[in-house]
Amino acid sequence: GAVVSQHPSWVICKSGTSVKIECRSLDFQATTMFWYRQFPKQSLMLMATSNEGSKATYEQGVEKDKFLINHASLTLSTLTVTSAHPEDSSFYICSVPGREGYEQYFGPGTRLTVT
Amino acid sequence: TQLLEQSPQFLSIQEGENLTVYCNSSSVFSSLQWYRQEPGEGPVLLVTVVTGGEVKKLKRLTFQFGDARKDSSLHITAAQTGDTGLYLCAGSPNTGNQFYFGTGTSLTVIP
Repeated sequence: GAVVSQHPSWVICKSGTSVKIECRSLDFQATTMFWYRQFPKQSLMLMATSNEGSKATYEQGVEKDKFLINHASLTLSTLTVTSAHPEDSSFYICSVPGREGYEQYFGPGTRLTVT
Repeated sequence: TQLLEQSPQFLSIQEGENLTVYCNSSSVFSSLQWYRQEPGEGPVLLVTVVTGGEVKKLKRLTFQFGDARKDSSLHITAAQTGDTGLYLCAGSPNTGNQFYFGTGTSLTVIP
């Protein structure tokens, strides 16, 4: 399967600032990546599909102007949380679909805390 | 959108007992995966099922995909404390498209 990394693994920021999270596919070129968020003791909620070279596709209810996604290369997608608020504090996880499209491989996640 | 409902939501059992977790939906999926997640980490893939009626075994874990590809189950035999974790099913309506996660089942195995 694909090896996926995320950076940073955790970040603390102040309200009103922006935070960028990177997702890298280390051994596999990914035209598509997925971004999820997970609140404590809850499941993963799909936020958006990141598409290399084109605009991301956002799930219903996700503010595209607040969660900016850029997929500039086949190995890197970034999620920027703009004007962060405490309610944005969450665990953000990216994934890369497998070659056959039946599976996905997850990064280790990024813990965001907004104070 | 949460298309997949898991039951039970929480489960606490004694070591050595058997358990079954269910993943149900009204939608048809081209594939369905089961994951296990530890706190503070990303989910780890356990199995993928793609054929209706398919049964896969992974040591003490048995996975089944419903005939209509709308539901799945995970059965653990003789649970161990190391099985403790959050179990998640995830389905893809179409190959390569988005994956949607179930509501999750938090399993605690007591020694």
